[in-house]
Amino acid sequence: AQSVTQLGSHVSVSEGALVLLRCNYSSSVPPYLFWYVQYPNQGLQLLLKYTSAATLVKGINGFEAEFKKSETSFHLTKPSAHMSDAAEYFCAVSDQGFKTIFGAGTRLFVKA
Amino acid sequence: NAGVTQTPKFRVLKTGQSMTLLCAQDMNHEYMYWYRQDPGMGLRLIHYSVGEGTTAKGEVPDGYNVSRLKKQNFLLGLESAAPSQTSVYFCASSTLRGSPYNEQFFGPGTRLTVL
Repeated sequence: AQSVTQLGSHVSVSEGALVLLRCNYSSSVPPYLFWYVQYPNQGLQLLLKYTSAATLVKGINGFEAEFKKSETSFHLTKPSAHMSDAAEYFCAVSDQGFKTIFGAGTRLFVKA
Repeated sequence: NAGVTQTPKFRVLKTGQSMTLLCAQDMNHEYMYWYRQDPGMGLRLIHYSVGEGTTAKGEVPDGYNVSRLKKQNFLLGLESAAPSQTSVYFCASSTLRGSPYNEQFFGPGTRLTVL
């Protein structure tokens, strides 16, 4: 069975500070891992995905994530937060089939 | 190319009323999904479909029914709405043709309140 745990339902950072959103997963098969972003009153959109080609994955808007098999983690980072990054972020895992399991989400607040 | 669209965007129901949420996608995707989003619980899968004419139960199917008569449409029905069904509902679609990664494409959501 697969599962995703996002540590911290809310994260607050100052503009210009490092963003770190944590995600740990459980999977019985090599997983595909995703980060989705949800801006207020919108649907989710893909930020980046890990597909085993490279452990460091770069996404849109300056975000990146590193797959660490030994830690079963896929944490999302951005060196310098911008006000427009304020949103909810979801980590997700797929078992290479058509189903995806989503984490509970982490809401990112960015302070001026 | 509109992607995934949902109607309506908002709806208020009284307990016991019925309604149907419509999802449409124009990407020729074979897989379609209905999720509900509640605070602190992320997205929970209600029902899904792997192709026209087929549907299956997800994690929280009770109180909902679905139909997929056409490949591009996926309908979610509430036969007798309950306050516990107050939520934001998202439809998504995906394909594994040409890519095994199952990136899902989401609609804008329907905010449903049951009084």
